[in-house]
Amino acid sequence: KAGVTQTPRYLIKTRGQQVTLSCSPISGHRSVSWYQQTPGQGLQFLFEYFSETQRNKGNFPGRFSGRQFSNSRSEMNVSTLELGDSALYLCASSPILQRDTEAFFGQGTRLTVV
Amino acid sequence: AQSVTQLGSHVSVSEGALVLLRCNYSSSVPPYLFWYVQYPNQGLQLLLKYTTGATLVKGINGFEAEFKKSETSFHLTKPSAHMSDAAEYFCAVGAGSYQLTFGKGTKLSVIP
Repeated sequence: KAGVTQTPRYLIKTRGQQVTLSCSPISGHRSVSWYQQTPGQGLQFLFEYFSETQRNKGNFPGRFSGRQFSNSRSEMNVSTLELGDSALYLCASSPILQRDTEAFFGQGTRLTVV
Repeated sequence: AQSVTQLGSHVSVSEGALVLLRCNYSSSVPPYLFWYVQYPNQGLQLLLKYTTGATLVKGINGFEAEFKKSETSFHLTKPSAHMSDAAEYFCAVGAGSYQLTFGKGTKLSVIP
């Protein structure tokens, strides 16, 4: 069974640009979550989608947005990039929306903003 | 709201020695607790989780953790460290919502 796939793995963007990251969950999984990982702040929750609806959102500015498609694939978008957006962005999928369910993580997209 | 505190951002142990990584949590509702491991340039992999029932939880690669409600702790242990255990370990709590709240992580070094 294929794992969570995130594309691209590495990305370099310039301040002010926008970027779109993609996440394909494990087949059959309907819940997708996004996390930002930085050395200073650690892992921080961005948002979670289930059945194409955003169920929960973390404390990030409106420049961060996402969506989920009918096949459960998800994208997140960051507009007007800032240097501080440089981070590893991790996507995780779960079969259902339940608190005790394991989240399976992808390898992440490393975004560098210059 | 919930929070997780991992004591020690870096821990070094000798190969064959006991591994003890500390995690304390705060939650206003019964928590679900997780330990994840991250190898360089990789995502997170679940080691073990506590939901309900037995408080001593066994995971993969010989790791185990004990849920102690009175101490609000969920420390991770392994009797004998192996070189392949060198990685960063994250404790996480799920409580009241579907998101996971992670600790800052503990980087484990294993000295040959």
